[in-house]
Amino acid sequence: KAGVTQTPRYLIKTRGQQVTLSCSPISGHRSVSWYQQTPGQGLQFLFEYFSETQRNKGNFPGRFSGRQFSNSRSEMNVSTLELGDSALYLCASSLEGQAYTEAFFGQGTRLTVV
Amino acid sequence: AQKITQTQPGMFVQEKEAVTLDCTYDTSDQSYGLFWYKQPSSGEMIFLIYQGSYDEQNATEGRYSLNFQKARKSANLVISASQLGDSAMYFCAMREADLNTGGFKTIFGAGTRLFVKA
Repeated sequence: KAGVTQTPRYLIKTRGQQVTLSCSPISGHRSVSWYQQTPGQGLQFLFEYFSETQRNKGNFPGRFSGRQFSNSRSEMNVSTLELGDSALYLCASSLEGQAYTEAFFGQGTRLTVV
Repeated sequence: AQKITQTQPGMFVQEKEAVTLDCTYDTSDQSYGLFWYKQPSSGEMIFLIYQGSYDEQNATEGRYSLNFQKARKSANLVISASQLGDSAMYFCAMREADLNTGGFKTIFGAGTRLFVKA
């Protein structure tokens, strides 16, 4: 069974550009969550999607957005990139959007903004 | 307010010995899940062990066990017979419902870096 796949693995962008990151969850998983990891702030929750609906959003500016498709694949978009957006972006999928469910993570997309 | 607290930024353990990584949490919910993840230098988060708030027995997964003390709101990870490959960052996390949105949110602690010495 394939794990969570995130693409691309590495990305370098310039300030002001926008970027789209992709996450394909484990087959059968309908819940996808996104996290930003930086040395200074640690792991911070961005969004949670379940059955194409955003069910929860972390404390991030509107430049950060996402969506989930009918096949549960999810994309995350960051517009007007800032240097501080440089981070490891992790996606996690779980079977159901319930508390009693472990989430499995992808390898992440490392975004560098220059 | 800090929801997940890992008080040990770094820990050293001798190979083949056991080590306990501390985690305390704060929630007013009755239903929640507690998790431990391992993050090697490659960056991938590897799920280790899960404990539900209503589980009466401590969770175990191979060399990993979770010492769950609900009244004290602690969920310490115990790694027995440490191996060199256990050297990594370890994160404690809690998943709870967001009553305002109907969704769920997972909150992570700051992590503990474990070094296993040969």
